[in-house]
Amino acid sequence: GAGVSQTPSNKVTEKGKYVELRCDPISGHTALYWYRQSLGQGPEFLIYFQGTGAADDSGLPNDRFFAVRPEGSVSTLKIQRTERGDSAVYLCASSPQSGSYNEQFFGPGTRLTVL
Amino acid sequence: SQQGEEDPQALSIQEGENATMNCSYKTSINNLQWYRQNSGRGLVHLILIRSNEREKHSGRLRVTLDTSKKSSSLLITASRAADTASYFCATGGGADGLTFGKGTHLIIQP
Repeated sequence: GAGVSQTPSNKVTEKGKYVELRCDPISGHTALYWYRQSLGQGPEFLIYFQGTGAADDSGLPNDRFFAVRPEGSVSTLKIQRTERGDSAVYLCASSPQSGSYNEQFFGPGTRLTVL
Repeated sequence: SQQGEEDPQALSIQEGENATMNCSYKTSINNLQWYRQNSGRGLVHLILIRSNEREKHSGRLRVTLDTSKKSSSLLITASRAADTASYFCATGGGADGLTFGKGTHLIIQP
């Protein structure tokens, strides 16, 4: 079956612009996660959705970052007033349900470059 | 912040040899997972070991866990060129998301 998909695969923007990154999780997966991965580092947790609600957004670096999942499926990560330090690969993952014993299925990521 | 730290940061071996990577973590855990990432994208889950397990096997993979030392190891036997990738250990999951280490970059020389 189809895995997690993310669009766009690459996004180049200018400092100060607004960007939206989209994630389509595996059908039926209720848990959805966003991570950010900088070069040479492991992914860092940003936000977790269980259904439509953001159950944990403690990883969002500041209020320029916001994510939604209005119908409990597709999620959009929104970044306002982008900064060069926001350049990274943004990864989305989904899981059949929440719980630490569940494998997470990752998408290919969106590579964001802020010039 | 990074919970796990993989060791070594980079490893290059000949095809057919065994590769061993280690992971240390800081806080108590329910389980530990290993993931593989090719070409800087696409993390793939390899194996999960629970805190009450000491060893687990999956194909050519063998994972050990020592909760008293807060460490885990991943052994890949009879390595292949396709095993070239970055390998990450991860703890947590559930509502707090996974916490990853910096990874070990493994290169298999043909």
